[in-house]
Amino acid sequence: DIQMTQSPSSLSASVGDRVTITCRASQGISTWLAWYQQKPEKAPKSLIYAASSLQSGVPSRFSGSGSGTDFTLTISSLQPEDFATYYCQQYNSYPITFGQGTRLEIK
Amino acid sequence: QVQLVQSGAEVKKPGASVKVSCKASGYSFTGYVMHWVRQAPGQRLEWMGWINAGNGNTKYSQNFQGRVTITMDTSASTAYMELSSLRSEDTAVYYCARGVRGRADTTFYFDYWGQGTLVTVSS
Repeated sequence: DIQMTQSPSSLSASVGDRVTITCRASQGISTWLAWYQQKPEKAPKSLIYAASSLQSGVPSRFSGSGSGTDFTLTISSLQPEDFATYYCQQYNSYPITFGQGTRLEIK
Repeated sequence: QVQLVQSGAEVKKPGASVKVSCKASGYSFTGYVMHWVRQAPGQRLEWMGWINAGNGNTKYSQNFQGRVTITMDTSASTAYMELSSLRSEDTAVYYCARGVRGRADTTFYFDYWGQGTLVTVSS
């Protein structure tokens, strides 16, 4: 199985900050990587697919990059509604696997 | 708009089975693959399997060792996930999610999710 490891596990930031979350795959996955946002007691929401493609309706302050084993999700200017937990997911091979999540909290 | 609406919370005893439904609307049900993903308290998301709503083919995670069965009723645009031989570690929120094809059209990411169904396993 491909292991997905995110860093940091938690992060405190302020409104307006630029934030970067990292996801590392245990083996190369090309650009078959997605990012999701999850708020408490809610279902995940798709943000990014194919490592860098923005899902329809997602604000442009979200961006993704990377290929192979190392990926990043960047929020250019944090908004109050962005405080949530973020997960990466690989879909290069089965079983489909997710990172452990990065909890983004208000400083 | 695309909506996936799941059935309500369940409480089951160890050893029992649970069946969760996911009713789709706002798109052609048979044109997509429906996945099931679960999330135990404080844990990461865990992929369970999928059903191709166009032809009924299924694929399951080996992590569930034959305990999971995914079915569908195309006339009702509804997918079902049944998990058997429940144990306390199966206590989780179970999500259905619509799959979008990725590598070689055989893998998927998820663009729409159901609201989740809490399954509690307790004696």
